[in-house]
Amino acid sequence: GQQLNQSPQSMFIQEGEDVSMNCTSSSIFNTWLWYKQEPGEGPVLLIALYKAGELTSNGRLTAQFGITRKDSFLNISASIPSDVGIYFCAGQLPGAGSYQLTFGKGTKLSVIP
Amino acid sequence: DAGITQSPRHKVTETGTPVTLRCHQTENHRYMYWYRQDPGHGLRLIHYSYGVKDTDKGEVSDGYSVSRSKTEDFLLTLESATSSQTSVYFCAIRTSSGGSYNEQFFGPGTRLTVL
Repeated sequence: GQQLNQSPQSMFIQEGEDVSMNCTSSSIFNTWLWYKQEPGEGPVLLIALYKAGELTSNGRLTAQFGITRKDSFLNISASIPSDVGIYFCAGQLPGAGSYQLTFGKGTKLSVIP
Repeated sequence: DAGITQSPRHKVTETGTPVTLRCHQTENHRYMYWYRQDPGHGLRLIHYSYGVKDTDKGEVSDGYSVSRSKTEDFLLTLESATSSQTSVYFCAIRTSSGGSYNEQFFGPGTRLTVL
């Protein structure tokens, strides 16, 4: 099936630093979603993007829908310890039956106080 | 909170036994999905439903069946559990009623161990 390449796989940062992660594909997507998952819980939707070039913020989080429609980026500014978790990107292919999503394998974020 | 509950939250079973996982929603959304999550694989779609009695296969449907007799409940059944089905199972719902908007919200998950 289709794959989303998410990078980096993991990152260790100091509290207060900014974080960037991305998701790329060889296919065009018409929706990009970013989720965060904490241990023992389900993924929580952070940001949804629906138009190429769209830039959307949610507090300290900012995500962009790549202009080529083949990638998306998530930035976290001034990281804090509660940002720890796994961040997943997800995309919907044009014509995907019943709005199925394809998921990346996640970026595991660790924040050092 | 999208009003999604999953039961049981944890289950340990033996190879060859049948297992049914339940997903319940309180908001009458049309689309529901079952995923499994495994290290190194991320979230993979097992089955999905687009209405009562309307279901279809996802990427990893072998060994699984589903049923949806009511809008609010989506059941995932492992007819004869195998160790390869040890995983964390998540139910999700799509909250948008139409158009191109596709925001899926997830339940808390069921951790299944098959011995």
